Formats: sequence, C-alpha cells, structure tokens
Amino acid sequence: NFMLTQPHSVSESPGKTVTISCTRSSGSIASNYVQWYQQRPGSSPTTVIYEDNQRPSGVPDRFSGSIDSSSNSASLTISGLKTEDEADYYCQSYDSSNWVFGGGTKLTVL
Amino acid sequence: QVQLQESGPGLVKPSQTLSLTCTVSGGSISSGSYYWSWIRQPAGKGLEWIGRIYTSGSTNYNPSLKSRVTISVDTSKNQFSLKLSSVTAADTAVYYCARWRTSGYYFDYWGQGTLVTVSS
Repeated sequence: NFMLTQPHSVSESPGKTVTISCTRSSGSIASNYVQWYQQRPGSSPTTVIYEDNQRPSGVPDRFSGSIDSSSNSASLTISGLKTEDEADYYCQSYDSSNWVFGGGTKLTVL
Repeated sequence: QVQLQESGPGLVKPSQTLSLTCTVSGGSISSGSYYWSWIRQPAGKGLEWIGRIYTSGSTNYNPSLKSRVTISVDTSKNQFSLKLSSVTAADTAVYYCARWRTSGYYFDYWGQGTLVTVSS
C-alpha cells in the first residue's frame, strides 16, 4: 500500500496564494486521479478538486489542482485567499482496490 | 438531492462489534454506478478509509482493517451497513458514510458523521 504525505499546516494572509502539496510514497502520482477535500470544523468533508484538476460545480475557480510527475506529487492551489478558506484539506487517491487519504493540512488564513 | 444518514450505537464496549447503518434518501442505492463507502476520523486526526461496497455488491476493505470489517447492503431498505469486530479504544472516531461516483471520481455526498466511543 502507498501513503500520501501532506504538510501538517500552512498559513497565509487574505488575498494571497497558497499551495498545499501531497506526495505519493510509491507508484506514480499520474497513474490514479487525485482528489482534494475541504473540511471545516464540525463539518463533513466536501470536494474542491477531483480527477487531479477538475472542480465540482459551485467550487470557485480560486481553487486549482495539478500533479507533478517529477516530484511524484499533487498540489492544491488557492488564490485570493479568504478567511472562509480556513479549514483542513485532505488529498486522496487510490490504487487497484484501495483508497488512501493524506494526513491532512490545516490552512490558517490570518 | 441525495442524502446519507448514519445511525447506530454511540457507545460500544471493548472487544464487541461496532455496527452502523447508512440510510440513503433521494435516490436508489442500487441504481447507477456508485461505490458506497465508510470513512472514519478520530478526534483531531485525519480521515481513514474503511471500505466500500459497489452497486453490484462487491466489496473492498482497507488492508489494515480487513480482518475485522464487513460492509453489506440492503437494497430493500436503501441502506448499507458497517460491522467492525473486536473493537478497542483506537476505534473511537466519527464514522462517515459517503458515496463515490464513478463518472468523475470523487466522494460527492457524505453523511453528517456519527461519533462512536469504545469504552467499558
């Protein structure tokens, strides 16, 4: 089984841009789609990015996703940060039969 | 609008079996191509995938929990269920049920989550 490693926390100011990384331990990051979920305190997770770089309807285009095969990692970028973006963010991917979540990154907007 | 709702005991004794049910409303559990899944989250920690059941009834489980987990579906009640045996305090968590869509791969609907505490 593989692991997805995220930074424990990141912080940035309102209006700025932040990028959260997600590194796959084994197997190619490009071989299976990566999803990103936002979880605010006390709430269930919601999807902000699916299939590496697609946004579900209703998710603002300030959220974008990408993958980098050279570093075997995926990234979630949030531009024009708002205080409402403060939350935990989880990447998720899979292999033939297992789904795996990253450990989560706490985003602080201060 | 599809809705998922978890239900079951909030307190389970060590060594016993945790049993939860997820009731799906707003759509049939047996229609379409979806995986119905259980995910848990210990307090202050990250998400852990437990397992899934496909519309056809086939299942997959997290290898770290596989020996203790059973997921089943009851299409007549539009529900799917989780059983986790031989629980310990480490199984204390908020348990979520969620739907994974296969046209656009992601969890599109989640339940609100239910806290299960393992304690004597």
